[in-house]
Amino acid sequence: AQTVTQSQPEMSVQEAETVTLSCTYDTSENNYYLFWYKQPPSRQMILVIRQEAYKQQNATENRFSVNFQKAAKSFSLKISDSQLGDTAMYFCAFRFSTQGAQKLVFGQGTRLTINP
Amino acid sequence: EAGVVQSPRYKIIEKKQPVAFWCNPISGHNTLYWYLQNLGQGPELLIRYENEEAVDDSQLPKDRFSAERLKGVDSTLKIQPAELGDSAVYLCASSRSWGNNEQFFGPGTRLTVL
Repeated sequence: AQTVTQSQPEMSVQEAETVTLSCTYDTSENNYYLFWYKQPPSRQMILVIRQEAYKQQNATENRFSVNFQKAAKSFSLKISDSQLGDTAMYFCAFRFSTQGAQKLVFGQGTRLTINP
Repeated sequence: EAGVVQSPRYKIIEKKQPVAFWCNPISGHNTLYWYLQNLGQGPELLIRYENEEAVDDSQLPKDRFSAERLKGVDSTLKIQPAELGDSAVYLCASSRSWGNNEQFFGPGTRLTVL
């Protein structure tokens, strides 16, 4: 079974600090994608960053970067120079193919609060 | 380009009443998903459509839940009768069936069953 685990239910940092959100996953697949989604309060979920499992280079999107450790099945998200607008639930997700379809499995989420 | 549209955004009903949620996916997206998101949890897939065909409904509680996507565009998710435990956010997402098939999510419908 494919599972995604986020061990930090809540995190809180001061504005401009750097914060790292943890995610581990379990799979026997070789080809898959990993994602971090952001869900602000009462707003829709948006994609923050994605990582293809076959790529060794860690993905980066402006202030957001990942540390992808394939052997350890770890996929953490680093937010640099955090901003008040980064306050949201963050979900780690794993996508794999089964029976010709793409399935997306989410972790439990981490509630991140950026304090002024 | 408009995103995934869902309505209503909020719905409060009494238990045993029926309820329906509507979703309009992004234009050109053949694949449509309905997810259930319980409070403080990640979304869980209920059903996936490829055009008008439900190709994965293994997680849909078929005794009370039903869904349709008659013309392969809009979709409706129905619960009849609703139970207290159905209180949650129901998310709709859509994607292309090929290439970069990133899923785009709607704002969700927050259902409260009293």
